[in-house]
Amino acid sequence: GAVVSQHPSWVICKSGTSVKIECRSLDFQATTMFWYRQFPKQSLMLMATSNEGSKATYEQGVEKDKFLINHASLTLSTLTVTSAHPEDSSFYICSARDPVGVYEQYFGPGTRLTVT
Amino acid sequence: DQQVKQNSPSLSVQEGRISILNCDYTNSMFDYFLWYKKYPAEGPTFLISISSIKDKNEDGRFTVFLNKSAKHLSLHIVPSQPGDSAVYFCAASPGTASKLTFGTGTRLQVTL
Repeated sequence: GAVVSQHPSWVICKSGTSVKIECRSLDFQATTMFWYRQFPKQSLMLMATSNEGSKATYEQGVEKDKFLINHASLTLSTLTVTSAHPEDSSFYICSARDPVGVYEQYFGPGTRLTVT
Repeated sequence: DQQVKQNSPSLSVQEGRISILNCDYTNSMFDYFLWYKKYPAEGPTFLISISSIKDKNEDGRFTVFLNKSAKHLSLHIVPSQPGDSAVYFCAASPGTASKLTFGTGTRLQVTL
């Protein structure tokens, strides 16, 4: 099946710094990638939809200047958490849709961000 | 406003028996539904999907039933195995290429 990787798998950073998370589709080209956030024991909340070569579409309540998304190629999307604060600590998961044949989203393993 | 709800946060089933996980939705625009399985600190894994033109879809031990009039779907796992122990999320979208809305998840524990 389609494989999506994320890097890093976990990161600890100090308050006020920025952190970049990478999402890669390894064996298919993804014109659309999605970024989710999950708090403990809660559902996955869609943050934004990332389209290759164009600006990301953010969900209501998500600060686009704080969560910068870049989808520079068909296999790579990045999420940068700028000026991180402890309340940004969460589990961030990306997914990618294989545009050929199937419509299911394939998820990466997630990135645990802890801001101290 | 939780448009997709899984009212049972947890479920315990004996190995070999049937596991039934339920999901309700409120948005009548949803017409494509999926079930994902998730282990802690990992991303969700796709299990099975169903479109609103069907009321049942089967794949091995997994069967999804859709009742559009009740806005309800369920996932049946039979026979249940210890490796099925995980959190199960249902998700819905208004079309196959649209964004997904996830439910809150049900933790399934399959006991020996």
